[in-house]
Amino acid sequence: AQSVAQPEDQVNVAEGNPLTVKCTYSVSGNPYLFWYVQYPNRGLQFLLKYITGDNLVKGSYGFEAEFNKSQTSFHLKKPSALVSDSALYFCAVSAIGQGNLIFGKGTKLSVKP
Amino acid sequence: EAGVAQSPRYKIIEKRQSVAFWCNPISGHATLYWYQQILGQGPKLLIQFQNNGVVDDSQLPKDRFSAERLKGVDSTLKIQPAKLEDSAVYLCASSLRETGQPPLHFGNGTRLTVT
Repeated sequence: AQSVAQPEDQVNVAEGNPLTVKCTYSVSGNPYLFWYVQYPNRGLQFLLKYITGDNLVKGSYGFEAEFNKSQTSFHLKKPSALVSDSALYFCAVSAIGQGNLIFGKGTKLSVKP
Repeated sequence: EAGVAQSPRYKIIEKRQSVAFWCNPISGHATLYWYQQILGQGPKLLIQFQNNGVVDDSQLPKDRFSAERLKGVDSTLKIQPAKLEDSAVYLCASSLRETGQPPLHFGNGTRLTVT
């Protein structure tokens, strides 16, 4: 069975500092991996995805994520956090050939000035 | 391009009442999804359509939930009768490809409160 774990309910960082939001996954075979962001009272907004190729994936708003197959991780990173990055972040996995996404429970990112 | 449209944005009903949600996907998108997002949890797939056919409804509580996608475009999700535990945000999503393409486009959702 596929699953996603986001071990931190909340991540707090100061503006300008680097941020990392952690994600580990379990799936049979090779995964599709995704990060989405959700602002209050809004739907999910796609940030980036890993399908194949380079393990470092760059996405929207300066975010990037690194796929690590041996550690089954797909951590979200940003070199310099902005207050406007404060939101709820979801990691998701899909098995190749399937459209369904399995989401983690989400991590609340709080960036303080 | 216009995004995924959902209505209403908010709905408050009493338990045992019925409710319906509407979704209009991005034009040309063959696959449509309904997800349920309970507070503090990640979204969970309820049903996936490809054009007007059901691909996956294994997690849809069929005794009370129903969904249809007439003509392969708009979709409605209905709950009848509602229970307290149905309080959640219902998200609609769509994707262009017919198979194997997870949704990249989500609507803003309908927040349902059952009292």
